Amino acid sequence: TAGITQAPTSQILAAGRSMTLRCTQDMRHNAMYWYRQDLGLGLRLIHYSNTAGTTGKGEVPDGYSVSRANTDDFPLTLASAVPSQTSVYFCASSDSQGSGNQPQHFGDGTRLSIL
Amino acid sequence: GQNIDQPTEMTATEGAIVQINCTYQTSGFNGLFWYQQHAGEAPTFLSYNVLDGLEEKGRFSSFLSRSKGYSYLLLKELQMKDSASYLCAVTDGDYKLSFGAGTTVTVRA
Repeated sequence: TAGITQAPTSQILAAGRSMTLRCTQDMRHNAMYWYRQDLGLGLRLIHYSNTAGTTGKGEVPDGYSVSRANTDDFPLTLASAVPSQTSVYFCASSDSQGSGNQPQHFGDGTRLSIL
Repeated sequence: GQNIDQPTEMTATEGAIVQINCTYQTSGFNGLFWYQQHAGEAPTFLSYNVLDGLEEKGRFSSFLSRSKGYSYLLLKELQMKDSASYLCAVTDGDYKLSFGAGTTVTVRA
């Protein structure tokens, strides 16, 4: 089934450790996104990529980095995790060919706890 | 920047109608999306409005007034499975979305 795959599903991580959240899509979408979702705050954009080889900062980029080496993969890295990065992380993609009216498709999320 | 407001919670009875309002103040506007998110799951796309007026899709309808910075999602003939969070999101045209905090709808028997 076509869609977005995120891994791992959940993770408990010690503060100060590094972690890469993986995201792969098979819909050949040009645009990909990383969000974090916290209770009462909704989805907040961390980083995005409009096409392979380019990335941009979203609303809350500090402490996170991304790369987009190819169309399908968009990993998110926490270089040195802190407890405030405890959250649910969603990866999404959209077909950016058009006027921006293409819906984003979301993965099932990664639940990350930093202790 | 974007400022998007929607109520935190709403409760309604099975078979009834519920209207979820969303107001926005944005630096640019190129459309408004509604997503549904069941607890512990990913958001899923419901509707998109870019022109003023009502878009109907089965039991769900979405309305937009660009001059008022206002939208609503109307859920008719409520079913228990409609219990979920409903997310309002605005795009300024460069493929990025700004989301409201979401409205949790609880449907009671």
